[in-house]
This record gives sequence, structure tokens and C-alpha cells, in this order.
Amino acid sequence: GQNIDQPTEMTATEGAIVQINCTYQTSGFNGLFWYQQHAGEAPTFLSYNVLDGLEEKGRFSSFLSRSKGYSYLLLKELQMKDSASYLCAPLGGAGNMLTFGGGTRLMVKP
Amino acid sequence: EAQVTQNPRYLITVTGKKLTVTCSQNMNHEYMSWYRQDPGLGLRQIYYSMNVEVTDKGDVPEGYKVSRKEKRNFPLILESPSPNQTSLYFCASKGGAVYSPLHFGNGTRLTVT
Repeated sequence: GQNIDQPTEMTATEGAIVQINCTYQTSGFNGLFWYQQHAGEAPTFLSYNVLDGLEEKGRFSSFLSRSKGYSYLLLKELQMKDSASYLCAPLGGAGNMLTFGGGTRLMVKP
Repeated sequence: EAQVTQNPRYLITVTGKKLTVTCSQNMNHEYMSWYRQDPGLGLRQIYYSMNVEVTDKGDVPEGYKVSRKEKRNFPLILESPSPNQTSLYFCASKGGAVYSPLHFGNGTRLTVT
């Protein structure tokens, strides 16, 4: 199986920067996905990293270190609509499966 | 519009009454999957299908059945629902490349009394 650890909740202020960390343990690693999920809605794709380093996509960036089993999602210029859960999901293990972490619930305050 | 459609959105039923949640995708994806989401437990995979007539168990398959007779449809069947199957269910599909993301349906909130 895969062990995935990410904080349960975080709070940040509108306009600020927040970093959501994720550590994982998986064999046969084939990349890591980040998804955003607003309350009661379906998860939506944010990013995919397979090589070490930072991938930037507008206000959102995602970082991966394969040797450390570590990733983070960086959200800049926070907006109220960024209040959501953020799911870390490494791909790998037996059958090359995608396993989701419990998610980090981010609350953005004015 | 490319999408995954699941129905119904909300369902309240009683213990033991068979039910089916439908899922359909229009993206010609070979891979489809069902998840349940519970507070504190995250998304857990129930069953998945790599192609027509090919299905496999995920992490929590007990009490569920699936079928994949056509590429676009992947229904989830609860033959005898129990209260511990009360949950939020998501169907998802993805393209063939490793980096292809999952596309999720809008979810089905099931309550079994």
C-alpha cells in the first residue's frame, strides 16, 4: 500500500501565499497528482509532477522531490474561492494505482 | 462537452433494497473507476476497469459489484445495501497515458437507513 501524509486543515489570509505539504511512501513511483475539491463537489485536476522540481501554473505551483518522498502545492495571491480541500495523490505501487491522501482543508479568510 | 455523468445525485434507500448508480463518459476513455469518500478517510477506490469486460477490485470492494459491457458505461451495483455504505460516491475516467488525470462525475450522495 501507499502511506500518504498531509495536514488536515490550514488557514490563510486572502492575498497571502500558502504551502500545502505531502509526504508519501510508494514503490514503483510514477508521478504525483494534486486535485482541488470544493465542499460537496467533484475533485478537479490541478497538477502532475513526475520529475524533481517545481512546475508553475499561474497562481498554483507544485514541487516534487522523489528521493525524499515529498511534494508541496504552493498557492499564491490567495483568493476566497481557493477555500477548498487539496488532495495529494501519488501514482504507483502494485498495479500502478492512484491513491489519494485524506486531503488538506484550506480556509481562506479576508 | 467532455464529461462524466453519474446518476442519481442523491439517493435515500433502505437496507437490503438493491440499487444501481449509473456512470457514463463521453471521452472514449478505457479506464473507469468508482470511489467512495467518507469524512476522515478520503477517497477510497471500490472497483476499477481497464477496458470493456475487464474489472478489478480496489481497496474497498466488499458489498459492491460493477460491470463494463460497453466502453462508456460503468454502473455500480449494491445488491443488498447496508447503513455502512452511506457515503459520497464518485465515478471517474481517464485516458491511456500515465500522466492523464482522472475526470470525476459530480458525485452521488447515498443514504442507507
